[in-house]
Amino acid sequence: ETGVTQSPTHLIKTRGQQVTLRCSSQSGHNTVSWYQQALGQGPQFIFQYYREEENGRGNFPPRFSGLQFPNYSSELNVNALELDDSALYLCASSARVGTDTQYFGPGTRLTVL
Amino acid sequence: ELKVEQNPLFLSMQEGKNYTIYCNYSTTSDRLYWYRQDPGKSLESLFVLLSNGAVKQEGRLMASLDTKARLSTLHITAAVHDLSATYFCAVGSYNTDKLIFGTGTRLQVFP
Repeated sequence: ETGVTQSPTHLIKTRGQQVTLRCSSQSGHNTVSWYQQALGQGPQFIFQYYREEENGRGNFPPRFSGLQFPNYSSELNVNALELDDSALYLCASSARVGTDTQYFGPGTRLTVL
Repeated sequence: ELKVEQNPLFLSMQEGKNYTIYCNYSTTSDRLYWYRQDPGKSLESLFVLLSNGAVKQEGRLMASLDTKARLSTLHITAAVHDLSATYFCAVGSYNTDKLIFGTGTRLQVFP
């Protein structure tokens, strides 16, 4: 059984650029959630996808968007990058909505210059 | 809006000592999670607590939940250096996997 994987590990972008982060959910999991963790803070919920549909969104602007594919992998897209977007982006998967535990991937460290 | 607060934010403790981390949340929730995070790493699931009075233990860590008081505790017994990490509590609900995380408690165990 493979765990949650994310790519890339690290990424450096400049303000105004666009970025796509990728996540492969754990085998058998159909729900993927994305979180942003700024340095020294707790993760903040961006949005969740369940069976390819968005299933909840946190307080993030529309330039944060996502997709989930038929194999339940997911993408997080961020347009018009700002300096404050620099953070660790975590993907978490679970077997179903409302299940007991979310399993987190290793994260993508995004630096915006 | 649901808020989750942890205290203390920083904890420096000697090996062999006991201590408790507290997690308070502002509205009703039906599940409480504890995660561990090592520097630069992802989150490792420690415990999930699903009902009032739930208690779970793993090694030197024990977590409990009081839903009436909206309080969870993470108790550390006879701390060892390997427990040094940041510990987060997170609150969720049955209808969504959205987790609201606390501020985190950075634990440092020294000899």
